Amino acid sequence: GAVVSQHPSWVICKSGTSVKIECRSLDFQATTMFWYRQFPKQSLMLMATSNEGSKATYEQGVEKDKFLINHASLTLSTLTVTSAHPEDSSFYICSAEGTSAREQYFGPGTRLTVT
Amino acid sequence: ELKVEQNPLFLSMQEGKNYTIYCNYSTTSDRLYWYRQDPGKSLESLFVLLSNGAVKQEGRLMASLDTKARLSTLHITAAVHDLSATYFCAVADNTDKLIFGTGTRLQVFP
Repeated sequence: GAVVSQHPSWVICKSGTSVKIECRSLDFQATTMFWYRQFPKQSLMLMATSNEGSKATYEQGVEKDKFLINHASLTLSTLTVTSAHPEDSSFYICSAEGTSAREQYFGPGTRLTVT
Repeated sequence: ELKVEQNPLFLSMQEGKNYTIYCNYSTTSDRLYWYRQDPGKSLESLFVLLSNGAVKQEGRLMASLDTKARLSTLHITAAVHDLSATYFCAVADNTDKLIFGTGTRLQVFP
């Protein structure tokens, strides 16, 4: 149980275009999901907390107009990188909080390359 | 603001040897996690530590938590090549967000 999927697993896009990444909890409902970004050989940095039915909470330094988060249902959150630039190239990982709120279940990640 | 430090950042060890990875954090927390990450992959949950003195073991890995010292350790016993990966600790802050350590890149060689 507690499986989280992400789609796509990798994507290449041109500078200036937008990319949408989906995060789904497959066998449980998640009122809270988290989006992380990981640059090569670095740690995970939390970008935002996504709550179903309400606006996401962004961490300091993360542009909310650039990284649009929508948590429209209890099993789906999406991250849209708008007007992507090469410096947005990174590994994006989502996680979903279980019912106990003591465990986060991580998705397999999406590797974004902006050319 | 909660800060999490890990050391060492890089660890090269011979098969069969023992070693410990340390995770220090700056403010009180009731949860600490250890994860493994293989190259190009996401995180694999290893341990959840919820109370002072908690000790958990799985195979050659053992994790412990000292909440008074704000310190957790991940001990590797008789390392094997399959343990080569990056290991992260993460600490929950008072809003349930996870703050990750810098990671320890472990390489086990014959």
